[in-house]
Amino acid sequence: NAGVTQTPKFQVLKTGQSMTLQCAQDMNHEYMSWYRQDPGMGLRLIHYSVGAGITDQGEVPNGYNVSRSTTEDFPLRLLSAAPSQTSVYFCASSFVGRNTEAFFGQGTRLTVV
Amino acid sequence: GENVEQHPSTLSVQEGDSAVIKCTYSDSASNYFPWYKQELGKGPQLIIDIRSNVGEKKDQRIAVTLNKTAKHFSLHITETQPEDSAVYFCAALFPGGNEKLTFGTGTRLTIIP
Repeated sequence: NAGVTQTPKFQVLKTGQSMTLQCAQDMNHEYMSWYRQDPGMGLRLIHYSVGAGITDQGEVPNGYNVSRSTTEDFPLRLLSAAPSQTSVYFCASSFVGRNTEAFFGQGTRLTVV
Repeated sequence: GENVEQHPSTLSVQEGDSAVIKCTYSDSASNYFPWYKQELGKGPQLIIDIRSNVGEKKDQRIAVTLNKTAKHFSLHITETQPEDSAVYFCAALFPGGNEKLTFGTGTRLTIIP
């Protein structure tokens, strides 16, 4: 059972570089989301999607783009990395409308220098 | 938007004693309140949840209580064991928010052998 798979696990970027964090789930979940985790600030929602072709902004969307071309995949793009984007990023998925468990990936630790 | 406050930020208890973590939420329409446990280097994992039509729920050594009037909910862990050491997050989901979960800032629980 793969669940939610994130790649890469670790990444170091230079300021101004771009990259894509990958997220895939095999549970046929409609809802997928990206969070960032910073010390003392919990998990903050970046972007989310309630289905293929539908995305929306969360609490801290600036500097990030997402797309949802399939049910399974929800990549997060950093357009021009900044040191403030140094964080641990988590992807999560769940069913819509059933108030059920959100499954999280293992996380991507990103450092921007 | 929804706001969730969580206390304490750190908690140390002797093995075998009980631990209590408390959260308050701002939107009275919130109807789903999960608790997640995050072990070092891993993504958060659901340990228990409660819906707004229930006042208490138990699962072995773990229980959650909900006071809708006061808009707060608590996690209770009894007979704590070393493997309970982790970071715990509460969350709230409010209707009309497209399944967006708002998380508390986390509690680092340390069980002292």
